Amino acid sequence: DTGVSQDPRHKITKRGQNVTFRCDPISEHNRLYWYRQTLGQGPEFLTYFQNEAQLEKSRLLSDRFSAERPKGSFSTLEIQRTEQGDSAMYLCASSQDSNLETQYFGPGTRLLVL
Amino acid sequence: AQTVTQSQPEMSVQEAETVTLSCTYDTSESNYYLFWYKQPPSRQMILVIRQEAYKQQNATENRFSVNFQKAAKSFSLKISDSQLGDTAMYFCAFLSGTYKYIFGTGTRLKVLA
Repeated sequence: DTGVSQDPRHKITKRGQNVTFRCDPISEHNRLYWYRQTLGQGPEFLTYFQNEAQLEKSRLLSDRFSAERPKGSFSTLEIQRTEQGDSAMYLCASSQDSNLETQYFGPGTRLLVL
Repeated sequence: AQTVTQSQPEMSVQEAETVTLSCTYDTSESNYYLFWYKQPPSRQMILVIRQEAYKQQNATENRFSVNFQKAAKSFSLKISDSQLGDTAMYFCAFLSGTYKYIFGTGTRLKVLA
């Protein structure tokens, strides 16, 4: 299966620690997106990349959050100095140039900040 | 700003019956896309069906069909012959311009045996 993969699937951390998540998109997909989903809510957009360029960032992405896609393939999302409010599911999605409108989602990384 | 509203937090349906999930949206755009995604328990989101706003014909995918009412800004999902595997959260999503999805809060559907 060559779908979107995310690692780790679950992360428990203590408040104040840094965490990093990885997303591997479908191989021929140039666009990569990060969303955050809290309990009982739909996913909310965080940021997206066209190849290695980060083209848009949501206001939800505070300065403690940083995302990279260094070679236009996989992406990382880092949260520094985690807070309990960061607890959520972090979803990655990708899409291809010939079908930009349809995004394919990974299984997500569930973060719990204690 | 665009918004998506799903007014049914939970629904249930008997196996083999038909169920309709509601979604309304607000936008001033004329060109956009609408989607229904399914998120089974502890599994990833899967695209169920998509609709281009410029198309008048309602999209269908096997047992899934939509009722797209552009003037009313309504986009409901009908699931026919419901199966146990249809049990999931269903999210309505809107897309225009910048390619970021705007999701509704979801409807939890339970199919009863």
